[in-house]
Amino acid sequence: DVKVTQSSRYLVKRTGEKVFLECVQDMDHENMFWYRQDPGLGLRLIYFSYDVKMKEKGDIPEGYSVSREKKERFSLILESASTNQTSMYLCASSPHRVGTEAFFGQGTRLTVV
Amino acid sequence: KNEVEQSPQNLTAQEGEFITINCSYSVGISALHWLQQHPGGGIVSLFMLSSGKKKHGRLIATINIQEKHSSLHITASHPRDSAVYICAVSGGSQGNLIFGKGTKLSVKP
Repeated sequence: DVKVTQSSRYLVKRTGEKVFLECVQDMDHENMFWYRQDPGLGLRLIYFSYDVKMKEKGDIPEGYSVSREKKERFSLILESASTNQTSMYLCASSPHRVGTEAFFGQGTRLTVV
Repeated sequence: KNEVEQSPQNLTAQEGEFITINCSYSVGISALHWLQQHPGGGIVSLFMLSSGKKKHGRLIATINIQEKHSSLHITASHPRDSAVYICAVSGGSQGNLIFGKGTKLSVKP
């Protein structure tokens, strides 16, 4: 069974902390994505990666960075967490072909206080 | 204007009713996806289609490429169908999805 696993379901962090959200997939997919989901705004793409050590900015990269040192792992980093980064974060992966199915993790609900 | 529009935003139905959720898009696509998100967050892919119609159990998805429109139908709805249904399109060369804002469905017993 295909699996995308996010390291935490719920996370509470303080303003200014450095936060790491981890995502691991076991399908040998080339593409990995980080989205955030907010009420009324839907899912928005933060960053994606189509290969190890490759990364591309999505629609809302400000305040975030990513790391892809191994094919199966894609990390989202909040360098200095702020309250406006309180959100649901979803990781996804897909094969590196146009029009293929994406597989999602269970989401991490991050609260920054 | 959003590239992917869904309607309705919210939908309440009685158990057993036939449900339709609509999705229109304004960009060229390689595929359209219907996703389901239950409370708690995880997203499950229901369908991926690029033409015609697909059926899985009580769920049916159709797409009209010329009209840039897709529908998700649920027959004989059940309270366990209560979830947010999200339409997304893929067309970028890197496989990223563009999402609609979702339709929150609540099926009452």
